[in-house]
Amino acid sequence: DVKVTQSSRYLVKRTGEKVFLECVQDMDHENMFWYRQDPGLGLRLIYFSYDVKMKEKGDIPEGYSVSREKKERFSLILESASTNQTSMYLCASSPNHGGSGAEYEQYFGPGTRLTVT
Amino acid sequence: GESVGLHLPTLSVQEGDNSIINCAYSNSASDYFIWYKQESGKGPQFIIDIRSNMDKRQGQRVTVLLNKTVKHLSLQIAATQPGDSAVYFCAELPPLGGKLIFGQGTELSVKP
Repeated sequence: DVKVTQSSRYLVKRTGEKVFLECVQDMDHENMFWYRQDPGLGLRLIYFSYDVKMKEKGDIPEGYSVSREKKERFSLILESASTNQTSMYLCASSPNHGGSGAEYEQYFGPGTRLTVT
Repeated sequence: GESVGLHLPTLSVQEGDNSIINCAYSNSASDYFIWYKQESGKGPQFIIDIRSNMDKRQGQRVTVLLNKTVKHLSLQIAATQPGDSAVYFCAELPPLGGKLIFGQGTELSVKP
């Protein structure tokens, strides 16, 4: 079974702190994603990566950065946390089928509920 | 204070009944669709997928139906159980390298 793990289930940080959210997948997937999930807004894509050291902006990248130094690990960084970044953060990974670049199914981690006070 | 968000559509069914959850997708050219289940406090879990060249696919107790004419996707759960209580949402994959687009979800509540 695919396993995607996230470093913390719950996190409380103060405004202005630098926050690191870590995600690791064990299925050698090429693609990895970071989303945030808010009531009424569904899943919104923050950043994604198709390969090591490669990153692309999603729909809401402002206030975030990412790092992918190893294939299995994708980190989300909040450079200076703000209260409007209080949310559920979900990491996902997916394979490239046949090298086509198509993502197909994404496998999600359990989520990190971040509260910024 | 607590933010007030939009309430998800809710479907309430009796244990043992069949459930049908609907989803309208946005892109008529999308060629792949997924249903996810998300239990409270957990990440979304893949349930079943279907490609656009099919109109029906069956899994264990679940069936997905695709109607491309009206851009509609449905998930049928047979003999619904309390453990099926969750938020269910669909996702579509547009062609040409598009990103998965997720629906808002429907909350399924199963009464024992």
